[in-house]
Amino acid sequence: DQQVKQNSPSLSVQEGRISILNCDYTNSMFDYFLWYKKYPAEGPTFLISISSIKDKNEDGRFTVFLNKSAKHLSLHIVPSQPGDSAVYFCAARSTNAGKSTFGDGTTLTVKP
Amino acid sequence: DVKVTQSSRYLVKRTGEKVFLECVQDMDHENMFWYRQDPGLGLRLIYFSYDVKMKEKGDIPEGYSVSREKKERFSLILESASTNQTSMYLCASSPRRDTQYFGPGTRLTVL
Repeated sequence: DQQVKQNSPSLSVQEGRISILNCDYTNSMFDYFLWYKKYPAEGPTFLISISSIKDKNEDGRFTVFLNKSAKHLSLHIVPSQPGDSAVYFCAARSTNAGKSTFGDGTTLTVKP
Repeated sequence: DVKVTQSSRYLVKRTGEKVFLECVQDMDHENMFWYRQDPGLGLRLIYFSYDVKMKEKGDIPEGYSVSREKKERFSLILESASTNQTSMYLCASSPRRDTQYFGPGTRLTVL
């Protein structure tokens, strides 16, 4: 039973356009959501997060939207840059849990 | 600066060997984690630890064990390596209920 799903294994966009990465979850106890970015041969790094009390969080070119009723979140990158090409992992956890549950990842390719 | 280091970037072992993967963090974090990453399967949690000498099984603990004798060090042990344990192994640490900081990973090949 996969509790966090990223249904698109890959996404390709043109430089300067918007990238939208999606994530769905099934566990109603999840109340904190994170996105991590991973380059080849490196460990993932934290990108942005959102608490369930919010529906949007913005940090520069990155915005995460949360739709609790649909159990869906998305990461928007505007404008996309070639350096954004990486694997993006969605993760979720509940308040009292020290561990997060990760999705399978989406490989983003931004073409110059 | 936050730092998580892993003992090896690349490792080649033979089937049946005992393998130790070491992870050290310098941030005094309570939590430490071991994941494996395989194509199409994302990050799967093997074991995690909330404190020294404490450990909990993750989603795929079979064939692995862990040791945390000191707060800064978390070791993953493959008692008898098998070819299906060929993978990228990632260690992470975090303060309680906060974001995780990952090491660079160890690519293990079991022949």
